[in-house]
Amino acid sequence: GENVEQHPSTLSVQEGDSAVIKCTYSDSASNYFPWYKQELGKRPQLIIDIRSNVGEKKDQRIAVTLNKTAKHFSLHITETQPEDSAVYFCAASYSGNNDMRFGAGTRLTVKP
Amino acid sequence: DSGVTQTPKHLITATGQRVTLRCSPRSGDLSVYWYQQSLDQGLQFLIQYYNGEERAKGNILERFSAQQFPDLHSELNLSSLELGDSALYFCASSVEGEQDPQHFGDGTRLSIL
Repeated sequence: GENVEQHPSTLSVQEGDSAVIKCTYSDSASNYFPWYKQELGKRPQLIIDIRSNVGEKKDQRIAVTLNKTAKHFSLHITETQPEDSAVYFCAASYSGNNDMRFGAGTRLTVKP
Repeated sequence: DSGVTQTPKHLITATGQRVTLRCSPRSGDLSVYWYQQSLDQGLQFLIQYYNGEERAKGNILERFSAQQFPDLHSELNLSSLELGDSALYFCASSVEGEQDPQHFGDGTRLSIL
């Protein structure tokens, strides 16, 4: 089955800097890659997703890139703000396995 | 508000007991997923239902079971509870399946004493 690895497990940046979180997946058939943000004590919320027919997607300060050949995808947050502090989860799925696998999460801390 | 409703918000019980967690998906969503999140841990996929039928199974213990009813709400039953079952249990729903964004409820925090 699919296996998703996420790095780093913790990330600390200064306000205004950029943050990058990387995930790798094992199953080349995976074609849907969402990212979720979970603030302390709250539910995970979808922040951006990408499908395998595109290489990059951007939404304001957030972007996701996908490299299908290398089987990895990354979340980029620019001009970070303290409210970006949260745990971020990547995930991967494909229509054949009826399953979405999540990475272990990255705890991002943005220092003011 | 995600549109996914989970009840109860908190549940405190003792070892050996049985509890039922309930989830109402967003209007129009056919798939329901259950996840377990222990303290400072990731999301462990338990089980998925689609339009009343079990569709995928993850790391769900035999002591746990779930079902999705004709009105599409779902229940997760946890029995013979152990201390290690203390966790946050999330329900999520999506329009159809794993190729659609999942929308999470606020979770049920289960504490086993």
